[in-house]
Amino acid sequence: NAGVTQTPKFQVLKTGQSMTLQCAQDMNHNSMYWYRQDPGMGLRLIYYSASEGTTDKGEVPNGYNVSRLNKREFSLRLESAAPSQTSVYFCASRLDSYNEQFFGPGTRLTVL
Amino acid sequence: AQSVTQLGSHVSVSEGALVLLRCNYSSSVPPYLFWYVQYPNQGLQLLLKYTSAATLVKGINGFEAEFKKSETSFHLTKPSAHMSDAAEYFCAVMPLAGTALIFGKGTTLSVSS
Repeated sequence: NAGVTQTPKFQVLKTGQSMTLQCAQDMNHNSMYWYRQDPGMGLRLIYYSASEGTTDKGEVPNGYNVSRLNKREFSLRLESAAPSQTSVYFCASRLDSYNEQFFGPGTRLTVL
Repeated sequence: AQSVTQLGSHVSVSEGALVLLRCNYSSSVPPYLFWYVQYPNQGLQLLLKYTSAATLVKGINGFEAEFKKSETSFHLTKPSAHMSDAAEYFCAVMPLAGTALIFGKGTTLSVSS
């Protein structure tokens, strides 16, 4: 039982490049989330998926797109990376409405 | 909009001293409340959660938190700090069941010997 896994762990991009951050969970959770963490800002919600086939915007969705590929996988795509997207990205999942979120180890992204 | 305020971005204690990390939330109804810990270069790990049962919640590693509705607070405490407690701590609120967590900005705990 690996929990929530994220790939890659580290990534450096140039401005304008695109990439997809992958997230998978093996806990049969229904909901999945993408957050970004910036110093002094805590975690801010980018997008979430309450169930397979649905996605919704969070607090800071601009510049990102997501895909809930199936119940296990939830990817985050940067179409044209900007330096302001330099951050640590965390994926999380939750079984149901009343439980806590489980977090992956994070992806450290630097956009030059 | 719902919000979480963590008082003090940095707290320093001596080993063996009391740890008190403060968290206040804004909500018109009692929410679900959580404390997470993040060790350097790692993801977030749940310490404890309040889900409208007992107001004093015990978590892992000797931490506990008390829900006080009148003060809209959910402060985290540990009677005796250990060096291994040095980490960043996040308070989070789920305003309504099924909604996403809203996080505070975090408090970094330093423990000196």
